[in-house]
Amino acid sequence: GAVVSQHPSRVICKSGTSVKIECRSLDFQATTMFWYRQFPKQSLMLMATSNEGSKATYEQGVEKDKFLINHASLTLSTLTVTSAHPEDSSFYICSAEGESGTQYFGPGTRLLVL
Amino acid sequence: KQEVTQIPAALSVPEGENLVLNCSFTDSAIYNLQWFRQDPGKGLTSLLLIQSSQREQTSGRLNASLDKSSGRSTLYIAASQPGDSATYLCAHNTNAGKSTFGDGTTLTVKP
Repeated sequence: GAVVSQHPSRVICKSGTSVKIECRSLDFQATTMFWYRQFPKQSLMLMATSNEGSKATYEQGVEKDKFLINHASLTLSTLTVTSAHPEDSSFYICSAEGESGTQYFGPGTRLLVL
Repeated sequence: KQEVTQIPAALSVPEGENLVLNCSFTDSAIYNLQWFRQDPGKGLTSLLLIQSSQREQTSGRLNASLDKSSGRSTLYIAASQPGDSATYLCAHNTNAGKSTFGDGTTLTVKP
């Protein structure tokens, strides 16, 4: 079946630094990818929709200047958390839309900002 | 607004027991429904995916059902084992590609 990878799987950084998370569809092309985050003991919430070759669409309450999304190719979307702070510590997961419209989820990236 | 509810929030059972986890959703315009397992500190593992045209899917000791008319899905786990202890999430997926997750059911299977 279709596989989506995320890198890194876990990252610890200092407050004020920027962190880039990659989401790759390994054996299929994805025009659309989605980014979610999950705070402790809460459900996964959609952050933004990433479209290849165009600007991402952000959900209400998500700062586009803080969470930079780039979908430069049909197999790669990146999420950059700029000037990360402890409150950005969370579990970030992406999904990629396959040809049939089925979503394939990455394994997630756990971010800890000290 | 689409809502996905999972009941119960937490469940503790003795090893060997059969159990059912519930997921309900408000949007009947469902493309598919997916069940995931999430272990503490780790990512999601996809367990079963049911297309809107299907009523159930089975994988080993797991069986998931989908009833669009009532807005419900169940995940049945047979002969539970301590290794089944995890948080189980359901996700309602639309044909626009957006997924709405429930809050999860945290399962503990006691040896």
